[in-house]
Amino acid sequence: GENVEQHPSTLSVQEGDSAVIKCTYSDSASNYFPWYKQELGKRPQLIIDIRSNVGEKKDQRIAVTLNKTAKHFSLHITETQPEDSAVYFCAALFGNEKLTFGTGTRLTIIP
Amino acid sequence: NAGVTQTPKFRILKIGQSMTLQCTQDMNHNYMYWYRQDPGMGLKLIYYSVGAGITDKGEVPNGYNVSRSTTEDFPLRLELAAPSQTSVYFCASTAADGVMNTEAFFGQGTRLTVV
Repeated sequence: GENVEQHPSTLSVQEGDSAVIKCTYSDSASNYFPWYKQELGKRPQLIIDIRSNVGEKKDQRIAVTLNKTAKHFSLHITETQPEDSAVYFCAALFGNEKLTFGTGTRLTIIP
Repeated sequence: NAGVTQTPKFRILKIGQSMTLQCTQDMNHNYMYWYRQDPGMGLKLIYYSVGAGITDKGEVPNGYNVSRSTTEDFPLRLELAAPSQTSVYFCASTAADGVMNTEAFFGQGTRLTVV
């Protein structure tokens, strides 16, 4: 079935260091992979997304890489700041209809 | 634009009661989704709809029903509430056209407690 696995479930990094979160998906036909950030008590909000026709996308300190052959994609946050502390979710669109999320990564930035 | 609006924001139900969570969007999005988020957990897909009159089950549909009579509204119905349905419920919508998919916008969530 359609499934997205996300690792790690928790991640602590020193302020200024980089953070990497990884996801794998089950359906090789999936073509859209967004990343969402959810702050405590708030709704998830899109931070970056990537489509299957590119291997990497960058937006300032945030980048996403996609390996379609291996069916995995990763979020990279560089020069982390305290405001990066949140829960991050990866997602994949299955059958061009079903937006399925990973289990989330709680990122803590240590000052 | 208001975006995606959910009502109510909070609700306490007794076991066996029923209720409808309302979700409406003013962005003319064709795709709409309902998720539940248990404490400290991820977003699990309950039901989704790709357009008015079309609904489909997600990962955890048992105990819920949906309808999509208009593009704007996608209500979620809980029949015979159970403690296991205590969760935060999020509605989301996107303008996905089946080829190029765009950002999914979330409502502010409904925190439901069943006692």
